[in-house]
Amino acid sequence: GQQVMQIPQYQHVQEGEDFTTYCNSSTTLSNIQWYKQRPGGHPVFLIQLVKSGEVKKQKRLTFQFGEAKKNSSLHITATQTTDVGTYFCAGNAGNNRKLIWGLGTSLAVNP
Amino acid sequence: NAGVTQTPKFQVLKTGQSMTLQCAQDMNHEYMSWYRQDPGMGLRLIHYSVGAGITDQGEVPNGYNVSRSTTEDFPLRLLSAAPSQTSVYFCASSRTGVNSPLHFGNGTRLTVT
Repeated sequence: GQQVMQIPQYQHVQEGEDFTTYCNSSTTLSNIQWYKQRPGGHPVFLIQLVKSGEVKKQKRLTFQFGEAKKNSSLHITATQTTDVGTYFCAGNAGNNRKLIWGLGTSLAVNP
Repeated sequence: NAGVTQTPKFQVLKTGQSMTLQCAQDMNHEYMSWYRQDPGMGLRLIHYSVGAGITDQGEVPNGYNVSRSTTEDFPLRLLSAAPSQTSVYFCASSRTGVNSPLHFGNGTRLTVT
């Protein structure tokens, strides 16, 4: 079936270091969304990418959608303790009914 | 501005008991869905609805029923609880479907003994 692989599963960084998580889909996606879930919390929408090769920035976060619309990445510059949580990607294969979720990358930040 | 409201926050059931997890949204969203989240398994779709009166199965529907009699409410029923249904359950809604951002409720932590 359709899958989205997300790596790494865990990442432990020192505050101030950069962080990147990657998602790779087995199928071409019409769009991809990114969510953040704080420990004990619920997923919160961060951004949606739609266009091939799209790059979007939110302060220290940079999101990219691959040219083939099968991969995406989230890069955080100079991590802070407030960045702690699990980051999920979720792709839409085009039916507007179901998202294909990655398993998430859990980020821990040492102060 | 409540968003997506789930009740209860915590629940403990004995094997074989039934219960209903409540989900309500006040954003006039057409699309609503139920997920379960287990360690290492990510978010798995149980059931979803694209509008009042319309429901469909997700990835892991067995043991769960849903109905959508109004736009606002999307309850999830556990017919006969099993320990394998111990999980955190999230309700999520969006304006038109998964092309729109999902808004999640705070979750229900369910333990079945």
